[in-house]
Amino acid sequence: NSKVIQTPRYLVKGQGQKAKMRCIPEKGHPVVFWYQQNKNNEFKFLINFQNQEVLQQIDMTEKRFSAECPSNSPCSLEIQSSEAGDSALYLCASSPGGGAETLYFGSGTRLTVL
Amino acid sequence: GDKVKQSPSALSLQEGTNSALRCNFSIAATTVQWFLQNPRGSLMNLFYLVPGTKENGRLKSAFDSKESYSTLHIRDAQLEDSGTYFCAAVSGGNYKPTFGKGTSLVVHP
Repeated sequence: NSKVIQTPRYLVKGQGQKAKMRCIPEKGHPVVFWYQQNKNNEFKFLINFQNQEVLQQIDMTEKRFSAECPSNSPCSLEIQSSEAGDSALYLCASSPGGGAETLYFGSGTRLTVL
Repeated sequence: GDKVKQSPSALSLQEGTNSALRCNFSIAATTVQWFLQNPRGSLMNLFYLVPGTKENGRLKSAFDSKESYSTLHIRDAQLEDSGTYFCAAVSGGNYKPTFGKGTSLVVHP
């Protein structure tokens, strides 16, 4: 039921390598979220955007993670120097915005850092 | 402690039976969403709730903001209901949904 597209489906990187994943939000959705889901099913909020502007982000995101949502291009999340602890499912979600409205998730990018 | 606590953490149901999942909130939740995640990781929206109830087929959900909990009732469980159910709550004007740790449901014949 979701039209959020995430690529790639799987990503394997060595420690210290860059890891980049992309997300195309559902058409007409100005709000985009990135979450990290670890192997214990815990969701960690990373960052959210409204159009191209960052709304909120956590400290981790400010340091090794970078993200952007340029106009007319996919949103992206990049880990500058991957660590083993970054291995997780990275989920992108979009929302119609205008307040507390429902999230529509993509299928995720499963990152493995060797 | 956990801001959103889901129970039970795991559940096994026989096909055709009924059950209820629960989320308790230690935050002042204003909206709740329920999702079903399949083994591949895809999350499907089930419900978006302000205080009140909603029903969709064999699923029914309720959210009581005063008592700080939400429930998801599954009626006549089917094999395809298997997966992990998550609730996510938003509190106040900080629109950053906080997720529970999920209920892993297995429906067996």
